[in-house]
Amino acid sequence: DVKVTQSSRYLVKRTGEKVFLECVQDMDHENMFWYRQDPGLGLRLIYFSYDVKMKEKGDIPEGYSVSREKKERFSLILESASTNQTSMYLCASSWGSGGSYNSPLHFGNGTRLTVT
Amino acid sequence: GDSVTQMEGPVTLSEEAFLTINCTYTATGYPSLFWYVQYPGEGLQLLLKATKADDKGSNKGFEATYRKETTSFHLEKGSVQVSDSAVYFCALSGPSNTGKLIFGQGTTLQVKP
Repeated sequence: DVKVTQSSRYLVKRTGEKVFLECVQDMDHENMFWYRQDPGLGLRLIYFSYDVKMKEKGDIPEGYSVSREKKERFSLILESASTNQTSMYLCASSWGSGGSYNSPLHFGNGTRLTVT
Repeated sequence: GDSVTQMEGPVTLSEEAFLTINCTYTATGYPSLFWYVQYPGEGLQLLLKATKADDKGSNKGFEATYRKETTSFHLEKGSVQVSDSAVYFCALSGPSNTGKLIFGQGTTLQVKP
């Protein structure tokens, strides 16, 4: 079974802090994604990556950056956390070069981030 | 741009009732369509998918048919169980999205014994 592991289930950070959310997958997937989930809005794509050291902006990249130094690890960085970034963050991965559009996503269990 | 619209929730049903969750989409070209389910405290997991018009995806008693003429992918189950209580997300992915999934807002289903 594919396993996508997010390093923390719950995080509480203060406004202005730099926050790192880590995600690791164990199935050698090429593609990795970061979404945020908010009630009534579904999932919105923040950033994604099709290969090591490669990144693409999603629909809501403002206030975030990412890092993919190794194929299995995809980090989401909040450069200066703000209260409107309080949310559930979901990491996902999928196989297929260039983001095969028939390939399902495998999700981690999420990190619930609260910024106070 | 491409988008997915789901029926508003929450949906509350008694055990063994029939379930329909409506999903319609807007997309260029011919997207693939998915239903994902999120159980309490967990991430999303793929429930079923369909990759071309008139395909029927099915899994765990759930079904959905890709209807191009009505741009719909409604989720159905003949007899729900308490264990089906979860949030259900409709999603699409197409060549123009290059592997990214676009999700609907999610529909919460609560099944009472």
